[in-house]
Amino acid sequence: SQQGEEDPQALSIQEGENATMNCSYKTSINNLQWYRQNSGRGLVHLILIRSNEREKHSGRLRVTLDTSKKSSSLLITASRAADTASYFCATDYQLIWGAGTKLIIKP
Amino acid sequence: DAGVIQSPRHEVTEMGQEVTLRCKPISGHNSLFWYRQTMMRGLELLIYFNNNVPIDDSGMPEDRFSAKMPNASFSTLKIQPSEPRDSAVYFCASSLQEGLAGGPNTDTQYFGPGTRLTVL
Repeated sequence: SQQGEEDPQALSIQEGENATMNCSYKTSINNLQWYRQNSGRGLVHLILIRSNEREKHSGRLRVTLDTSKKSSSLLITASRAADTASYFCATDYQLIWGAGTKLIIKP
Repeated sequence: DAGVIQSPRHEVTEMGQEVTLRCKPISGHNSLFWYRQTMMRGLELLIYFNNNVPIDDSGMPEDRFSAKMPNASFSTLKIQPSEPRDSAVYFCASSLQEGLAGGPNTDTQYFGPGTRLTVL
């Protein structure tokens, strides 16, 4: 079974709004990573958060991690059309990925 | 740096034929991963190598699939014989894993552009 599962499966918002995606996992982790995939291309690493961290920022990205709930969230602030992509979370040990959240930013 | 290189980018073949996908990881990286992505199943890890040694091949679907890494700069994923249900995009990724082989992968994976395989 998949280790990471993102929700929602799809999200459509207006440009400029914030987008929040969630990820749940099943076993203990050392770290959790978020990746972006533009249509038809390989995945690109966005941010890594370690199990002893609760929150991390990188530009317009904010990631939180709640190890007690085995969940993480990715917030993209002030969304842009270029943020349209699928977003995946992945945990370390099992290297199993979720199905991704498809984000569409409407102009 | 050229990044992870995969070839071919597109492959169309007929059922029963042998298919070989190739990957050149980023120079200096010691871990290599093969993934398959489909609409139905999402992104699946097939196998990963550390220092050219297969560490986990539990994701390889069946005996028709095999992967090799003869040296640090080259890996192949072979499907023989191919079937229509093997149609997918196959990604190769590499990373520099520090720490013990088989231990947690705490390092960023760099993905290649993928090979789109269509088996008719």
